Amino acid sequence: GPKVLQIPSHQIIDMGQMVTLNCDPVSNHLYFYWYKQILGQQMEFLVNFYNGKVMEKSKLFKDQFSVERPDGSYFTLKIQPTALEDSAVYFCASSLYGGTYAEQFFGPGTRLTVL
Amino acid sequence: AQSVTQPDARVTVSEGASLQLRCKYSYSGTPYLFWYVQYPRQGLQLLLKYYSGDPVVQGVNGFEAEFSKSNSSFHLRKASVHWSDSAVYFCVLSALTNSAGNKLTFGIGTRVLVRP
Repeated sequence: GPKVLQIPSHQIIDMGQMVTLNCDPVSNHLYFYWYKQILGQQMEFLVNFYNGKVMEKSKLFKDQFSVERPDGSYFTLKIQPTALEDSAVYFCASSLYGGTYAEQFFGPGTRLTVL
Repeated sequence: AQSVTQPDARVTVSEGASLQLRCKYSYSGTPYLFWYVQYPRQGLQLLLKYYSGDPVVQGVNGFEAEFSKSNSSFHLRKASVHWSDSAVYFCVLSALTNSAGNKLTFGIGTRVLVRP
């Protein structure tokens, strides 16, 4: 089936540095999402993105976070500067349609470790 | 606000045995419910989904789930598991938002280990 890729699979950085997580969504999808999962906790919604704009974001989507998809390439999540509490697995997802019953396709996640 | 509870963090079953994974949700509106599975080093994959109609929905690989509005539940089951069913299973609720796209609320997941 359609696959979402995430690069890198694991990233280790020092607190205060900038990090960019890359997502290669399903090619014809129009809606993009980021989720965050802290070890041992539930996966939580961060943000969704459509038509070049953030449509909705959660309280977890701090001011240090930003997303973009320049020229239909990777959908990226940038954190600048990083903090210790940003350590988590970040999952990217995409869907062709919006709405409550649209199937989202997920990537395998990027494990971010902030030291 | 909505929430999803999966009370069993880990379940171990023998190959060929039946499996039931429990899921309870809390949501004041009409719930759209999903079960996703995550195999090692892979992304979440959709097993099945429920919107309305017949409360028993069929999914891939012999899985089915039953929706109960009175119990606010959406339990997943399989009659006979295979070793390849070892994975983490997530119960997921999709709720109306005021934007395009949808926002999913996840349970914590149930890790299933199938013993040979």
